[in-house]
Amino acid sequence: GENVEQHPSTLSVQEGDSAVIKCTYSDSASNYFPWYKQELGKRPQLIIDIRSNVGEKKDQRIAVTLNKTAKHFSLHITETQPEDSAVYFCAASGSNSGYALNFGKGTSLLVTP
Amino acid sequence: DTEVTQTPKHLVMGMTNKKSLKCEQHMGHRAMYWYKQKAKKPPELMFVYSYEKLSINESVPSRFSPECPNSSLLNLHLHALQPEDSALYLCASSRTTPWAFGQYFGPGTRLTVL
Repeated sequence: GENVEQHPSTLSVQEGDSAVIKCTYSDSASNYFPWYKQELGKRPQLIIDIRSNVGEKKDQRIAVTLNKTAKHFSLHITETQPEDSAVYFCAASGSNSGYALNFGKGTSLLVTP
Repeated sequence: DTEVTQTPKHLVMGMTNKKSLKCEQHMGHRAMYWYKQKAKKPPELMFVYSYEKLSINESVPSRFSPECPNSSLLNLHLHALQPEDSALYLCASSRTTPWAFGQYFGPGTRLTVL
């Protein structure tokens, strides 16, 4: 089955700096890569996603890049703010996964003022 | 309405109790999911209902029993749980497969088993 590795497990940045979280996947049939943000005690919230026919997608301060050849994708957050502090999960899915989202283990991001 | 709702928000139960968790969505989504999430871990898939039929059961113990009464509602019946079952139980829904249109989570039920 699909295996998603996520790094780093923790990340601490100063407010205003950029943060990058990286994931790799194993199943070349995976074609959908969402990112979820989960604040303490809250639900995982879909913040951005990318499909395999696209190399990069941006939404204001967040962007996701995908390298299909290398089977890795990354989340980039620019001009970080304290409210970006949360756990971020990447996931991969596709026709081999059926209805399953295969999650990475998560990255705990702390943005200090 | 773009939300998945869950009740109750918190639940404390003894090992001999029977309780139910409820989930509702009115987005016309035809797939609904139950996940279990332990602290600092990713959500762990338990069950998937597709078009009101159980399509995935990830080897979950029989003390968890899902039910999908209609396309908007999903229940999880709990009986004879163990303390290690204490976790955040998340419901999610998607229009069809998650890789087609995304998957959206409810706020969860924080379950404590004494």
